[in-house]
Amino acid sequence: DGGITQSPKYLFRKEGQNVTLSCEQNLNHDAMYWYRQDPGQGLRLIYYSQIVNDFQKGDIAEGYSVSREKKESFPLTVTSAQKNPTAFYLCASTQGAYGYTFGSGTRLTVV
Amino acid sequence: GQNIDQPTEMTATEGAIVQINCTYQTSGFNGLFWYQQHAGEAPTFLSYNVLDGLEEKGRFSSFLSRSKGYSYLLLKELQMKDSASYLCAVLNNFNKFYFGSGTKLNVKP
Repeated sequence: DGGITQSPKYLFRKEGQNVTLSCEQNLNHDAMYWYRQDPGQGLRLIYYSQIVNDFQKGDIAEGYSVSREKKESFPLTVTSAQKNPTAFYLCASTQGAYGYTFGSGTRLTVV
Repeated sequence: GQNIDQPTEMTATEGAIVQINCTYQTSGFNGLFWYQQHAGEAPTFLSYNVLDGLEEKGRFSSFLSRSKGYSYLLLKELQMKDSASYLCAVLNNFNKFYFGSGTKLNVKP
């Protein structure tokens, strides 16, 4: 079955540590996205990529980095520069002007 | 700028009908989407409107008026499992999605 796989489901980060969230899709979608969701709030765009080897900053890119070396993969690194990283992170993909397919999410907590 | 507004929270009774409104102002328009999101889970697609009018899909219907920048999601015969957040999202002319903050629907017996 085609879909998007995010891992891990839960992730704990220590202060000053970088962590990487994985996102893999086998839908052959060109565009991939990373969103952050805080409790009781909507989705805010962190980074997006329309094609391989190209990505753009979203509305809240500071403290995050991404890469898009393969069409299937769009990992997100939460760096130590992100001062408030505790949130629910969602990866999504889309083809053209169709709706998103979302991954199951990664819940990141700072300990 | 981009702006999408939805009520924060609504409560309705099992078996009833509820309408969740969404108003938007975006740079162009390429479609409006509704998603359902249960707590701690990913959003799932419910409906898509690109032309004015009503789209019906089982117990769920979605309406769009592009001239008014307005949409609503109508849920009929409410069930307890419909308790979730409902997200309105607009695709603008640059194929970029903008999400509302979501409406938390509480269905009570």
